[in-house]
Amino acid sequence: SAVISQKPSRDICQRGTSLTIQCQVDSQVTMMFWYRQQPGQSLTLIATANQGSEATYESGFVIDKFPISRPNLTFSTLTVSNMSPEDSSIYLCSVEDTRYTEAFFGQGTRLTVV
Amino acid sequence: GENVEQHPSTLSVQEGDSAVIKCTYSDSASNYFPWYKQELGKGPQLIIDIRSNVGEKKDQRIAVTLNKTAKHFSLHITETQPEDSAVYFCAASIGSGYSTLTFGKGTMLLVSP
Repeated sequence: SAVISQKPSRDICQRGTSLTIQCQVDSQVTMMFWYRQQPGQSLTLIATANQGSEATYESGFVIDKFPISRPNLTFSTLTVSNMSPEDSSIYLCSVEDTRYTEAFFGQGTRLTVV
Repeated sequence: GENVEQHPSTLSVQEGDSAVIKCTYSDSASNYFPWYKQELGKGPQLIIDIRSNVGEKKDQRIAVTLNKTAKHFSLHITETQPEDSAVYFCAASIGSGYSTLTFGKGTMLLVSP
């Protein structure tokens, strides 16, 4: 299976600051995805990141708030900008690995904004 | 867009009992239905999935059934064990990929020894 490493695993941040989350995959994948999981809630897709193109954002999420980079086929970053307590969530990276016909998830980044 | 409803939100069973979690979806174009298990502090992990051309799929103690007409699918866990305790999410995919998923709200399963 694809192995996904996310950094940091958790962080506590001051409101108004930004945090960049890294996602590294052990194989080349075309599509990478970023999800948000608010406390006790389900997973909501933030955006889809394909290498070589702009990320595609879901309704309710904008690039200014959640800029994404996808410099190559094994790496992506998600930045949570100008954070507020409402941004406190678990942020998950996911990849589509067509070798296994399933989606794989990283362990998540638990973000607390104070 | 797609909407996935999941019930119950919590489920407590005794070890050895069966557990059933049910989901409904709204878009008849959805064709891929995975189930994920999420343990505390970890990302979701796929445990079983089913496609719209299949009515039932089984993998040891875990089975999933799909009723396309009624637009609902269910997860069945038999002979539950304490290590089955986790949050389970159903999801539906309307696209061609496996990761453009719409998730249910999750079911916390507690298996008591």
